[in-house]
Amino acid sequence: DAGVIQSPRHEVTEMGQEVTLRCKPISGHNSLFWYRQTMMRGLELLIYFNNNVPIDDSGMPEDRFSAKMPNASFSTLKIQPSEPRDSAVYFCASSHRGQTVNSNQPQHFGDGTRLSIL
Amino acid sequence: SQQGEEDPQALSIQEGENATMNCSYKTSINNLQWYRQNSGRGLVHLILIRSNEREKHSGRLRVTLDTSKKSSSLLITASRAADTASYFCATANAGGTSYGKLTFGQGTILTVHP
Repeated sequence: DAGVIQSPRHEVTEMGQEVTLRCKPISGHNSLFWYRQTMMRGLELLIYFNNNVPIDDSGMPEDRFSAKMPNASFSTLKIQPSEPRDSAVYFCASSHRGQTVNSNQPQHFGDGTRLSIL
Repeated sequence: SQQGEEDPQALSIQEGENATMNCSYKTSINNLQWYRQNSGRGLVHLILIRSNEREKHSGRLRVTLDTSKKSSSLLITASRAADTASYFCATANAGGTSYGKLTFGQGTILTVHP
């Protein structure tokens, strides 16, 4: 039973470069979440999708960040241009939203992408 | 600030002892969830308690919820070295359409010494 798959697991790049993080949610899940985790700020929700549609991107730090979900099995988070302060672990999570509006479903997390911007 | 605030920030105990972590939140919730994160890994869901429930058990885990005080506790009984991890509470806010959105606290770092 495959969980949420993120790639790459580690990314080291120089300031100014474009970075693309990838996520494959669990099959059948219809909500997808992108988080960023740092020691200073903890776990922050960046953006989330439902049925491939972005619902709330108010957590995206600035216009350098963008996210897409072209289909139910794939999402990307892009940073262009990258800066050293973007260094963090980025997590993708998915869940299944049930019949009711606020159905009680846990989120399933990938193992994250550890991003280092030099 | 974070909806969920865990207390303590760090907890160090000996194997076999019980570990208790607390979580406070600010707004009305639909449910509250606890997650565990091992070093270098993603968060793993442990247990979910609905707003109309007061206590829930799962193996060595016991969760309580007091909506009047807007607080929850996670008790791990007979701890093991393998329980060493960070533990997070997360709340699903009541009202509106959340699509499963959760707000996570800062977490409690639990260290269990063999």
